[in-house]
Amino acid sequence: GQQLNQSPQSMFIQEGEDVSMNCTSSSIFNTWLWYKQDPGEGPVLLIALYKAGELTSNGRLTAQFGTTRKDSFLNISASIPSDVGIYFCAGPGFPYNTDKLIFGTGTRLQVFP
Amino acid sequence: NAGVMQNPRHLVRRRGQEARLRCSPMKGHSHVYWYRQLPEEGLKFMVYLQKENIIDESGMPKERFSAEFPKEGPSILRIQQVVRGDSAAYFCASSPRGDEQFFGPGTRLTVL
Repeated sequence: GQQLNQSPQSMFIQEGEDVSMNCTSSSIFNTWLWYKQDPGEGPVLLIALYKAGELTSNGRLTAQFGTTRKDSFLNISASIPSDVGIYFCAGPGFPYNTDKLIFGTGTRLQVFP
Repeated sequence: NAGVMQNPRHLVRRRGQEARLRCSPMKGHSHVYWYRQLPEEGLKFMVYLQKENIIDESGMPKERFSAEFPKEGPSILRIQQVVRGDSAAYFCASSPRGDEQFFGPGTRLTVL
């Protein structure tokens, strides 16, 4: 079945550092979504990508839709303590007309002051 | 405009009891999705409903689990005869047209 693998699994960084994470799939996705989940809460959409090669920013966050359609990348610049959380990539699963989402395994980010 | 609301936020049940999880979508949203999240894992799709109709239930176990989204009132995810393996966080998401999904805070079910 469709699967999304994220790396790294976890990251421990110092405040002010830049962060990079990625998401890969064995099958093609037509949409890539990046969510952040805080402890005890539901996921919140950060960035949506709809076109191969697309690069989209949201404040300090930048995400790219890989040209192979099988991967996506998320970068966070100048990290701050409130960036702590779990970052998930997601995309629509088969059959695509229902818009159900397949979620990745997550990258856990810890930021130290 | 209030966000997606779920209740209860925490639910404790003994094995064999029933669990009812409620989801009130955002105002104007007629599409509801239920997902389950086990500890240290991503969310897994369970079921997609529009008002009074189940559109896709391919991720929902065939036995003990059911979902509804009546014409009036919240969407309900019902788990009968709960077992320890049902312990998880259950998230509801809603969307206006079946595109961008907005997630609720989740219900954390613990089965003793």
